[in-house]
Amino acid sequence: EIVLTQSPTTMAASPGEKVTLNCLASSSVSYMNWYQQKSGASPKLWIYGTSNLASGVPNRFSGSGSGTSYSLTISSMEAEDVATYYCLQLSSYPPTFGGGTKLELK
Amino acid sequence: QVTLKESGPGILQPSQTLSLTCTFSGFSLSTYGMGVGWIRQPSGKGLEWLANIWWDDDKYYNPSLKNRLTISKDTSNNQAFLKITNVDTADTATYYCARITYYGYNYPLYFDYWGQGVMVTVSS
Repeated sequence: EIVLTQSPTTMAASPGEKVTLNCLASSSVSYMNWYQQKSGASPKLWIYGTSNLASGVPNRFSGSGSGTSYSLTISSMEAEDVATYYCLQLSSYPPTFGGGTKLELK
Repeated sequence: QVTLKESGPGILQPSQTLSLTCTFSGFSLSTYGMGVGWIRQPSGKGLEWLANIWWDDDKYYNPSLKNRLTISKDTSNNQAFLKITNVDTADTATYYCARITYYGYNYPLYFDYWGQGVMVTVSS
């Protein structure tokens, strides 16, 4: 089973600040998906196939990475970005999620 | 438009069998490439994948729970099901179903549409 380790676990960013969330895989994966989950809501597909934004996702978000290291970047933090972000790998069974990064507003 | 909705018993006792239903619209599980997965989330914790079922009735299970899980589908009624046997308090969680689509070997897999989730409590 591929273990995904997300860092940081929690972080706070100021409006306008650049934010980078990381996801490290225990073995190489072909691509990474990211989900945004707001309090009390279901996870939403945010980035798929490493770098493709899901429908409706603002273009201040981007995804990158390869092999064992992937990241989600917000170019300029906004209040609506407050959420927990999870990475998910589906290139190897069983699918596994990272533990999540809780992003707060400073 | 694609929608999914989970339903379940709400509360059950340890050692019982949990039966969950996912009722969906906007796609068919008899269409090539379509699949439904189940994922759960204990309150305040992370997400755990449980099982997937595909249009061709191929099934995949989380190895850590495999002996307790059974996934199935009813394509005529646009439903997918998950049974978990011998539940205990560790199975208390919100259970989600989500759509997954196989576009081809060189395309990524991902859960694109999720249901609202159903909360299940295991308690004596």
